[in-house]
Amino acid sequence: AQSVTQLDSHVSVSEGTPVLLRCNYSSSYSPSLFWYVQHPNKGLQLLLKYTSAATLVKGINGFEAEFKKSETSFHLTKPSAHMSDAAEYFCVVTRGGGNKLTFGTGTQLKVEL
Amino acid sequence: GAGVSQTPSNKVTEKGKYVELRCDPISGHTALYWYRQSLGQGPEFLIYFQGTGAADDSGLPNDRFFAVRPEGSVSTLKIQRTERGDSAVYLCASSPTRDRASTGELFFGEGSRLTVL
Repeated sequence: AQSVTQLDSHVSVSEGTPVLLRCNYSSSYSPSLFWYVQHPNKGLQLLLKYTSAATLVKGINGFEAEFKKSETSFHLTKPSAHMSDAAEYFCVVTRGGGNKLTFGTGTQLKVEL
Repeated sequence: GAGVSQTPSNKVTEKGKYVELRCDPISGHTALYWYRQSLGQGPEFLIYFQGTGAADDSGLPNDRFFAVRPEGSVSTLKIQRTERGDSAVYLCASSPTRDRASTGELFFGEGSRLTVL
């Protein structure tokens, strides 16, 4: 079985400050991990993915995530938040090569002026 | 169209009625998925098609739920005898190949919001 836990349901930051969205995973197999973003009234969009290559993964819009096996974590970071980053973010796990994505419960990111 | 298209965007029905939700994937995408997102939750897997066949339907909650993809493109999710607990956003996603899908690269539609009164 595999699962992800998103530790914060809501995160609020000021524009220009760093963003940290936390995710811990549980998997019996070598996992593939992803972050998806959902803007209001838009479809889910893949932000970045880890599939057992480099542990530091860079995604779109300046986001990156680091796979830490010892901590079973895959936290999402961005050095400087922008107003357009306000959205819901989902941490996702799948068994390596598997087709079924298991989503976390989501973190709502609010960016304030 | 350029993206995954889902219709209707909103559907309100009464308990016990039959509902169909349609998904038009990106042209040429062979893999198609249905997910369900309840309020405050992440999307949950329902069913996966590779071409015309349902490769994995283990996420369908019960036999009131059924999905088809007869020509390997458009898919319809069918819900019989709807219950209030079926209220959710139903998401469709597609991927160009089985390999791309297996790396988590899915392209999602905006969803169909179903409300059962």
